[in-house]
Amino acid sequence: DTGVSQDPRHKITKRGQNVTFRCDPISEHNRLYWYRQTLGQGPEFLTYFQNEAQLEKSRLLSDRFSAERPKGSFSTLEIQRTEQGDSAMYLCASSLMRQGASNQPQHFGDGTRLSIL
Amino acid sequence: AQTVTQSQPEMSVQEAETVTLSCTYDTSESDYYLFWYKQPPSRQMILVIRQEAYKQQNATENRFSVNFQKAAKSFSLKISDSQLGDAAMYFCAYQETQGGSEKLVFGKGTKLTVNP
Repeated sequence: DTGVSQDPRHKITKRGQNVTFRCDPISEHNRLYWYRQTLGQGPEFLTYFQNEAQLEKSRLLSDRFSAERPKGSFSTLEIQRTEQGDSAMYLCASSLMRQGASNQPQHFGDGTRLSIL
Repeated sequence: AQTVTQSQPEMSVQEAETVTLSCTYDTSESDYYLFWYKQPPSRQMILVIRQEAYKQQNATENRFSVNFQKAAKSFSLKISDSQLGDAAMYFCAYQETQGGSEKLVFGKGTKLTVNP
């Protein structure tokens, strides 16, 4: 079990550029979540996948944001035309959902810190 | 919508002493889960302890225990025999039960400092 891996750890970009982050969940986990954490706040839910299906998106996820999990394994989060307000830590988490079993805890990655110049 | 409130932005404790972090939440559901996560500086979020709402018994994990008061919608974390490595941001989180996304709703966090 290598844990949840996120890449890159840090991203600095100019306003208006596109950025893409990657998340590799724990291998047997079928659920994958994206959260955003701004300074002094707790993480806020953005979206989640069960296998390859994106099942819920937060209102925080504007149309400049898109997430994919094409083969039900790793996921990417893309932000187009970045704005100052996109500066935050983007956290990925994964869990194993089994029918009839109790909720399994979410395991988090180290996050990708995005800074918009 | 569910909300989680942590009223203590910062707390401090002497090494080897006990500290309690507060958390209240709001929900109309009767079955749910509550968590405390720890986030050390520049490091990943780690699960500290979990409580299932239908269980009356308070959860315990070594030096960490909770005081779960369902009627009051209160979920505090007690850290006994505090260690320097306990210094971190602590987040209280709510999770709905199966059938939905099981997304976590977090409070704003409490920064814990442990003084030697």
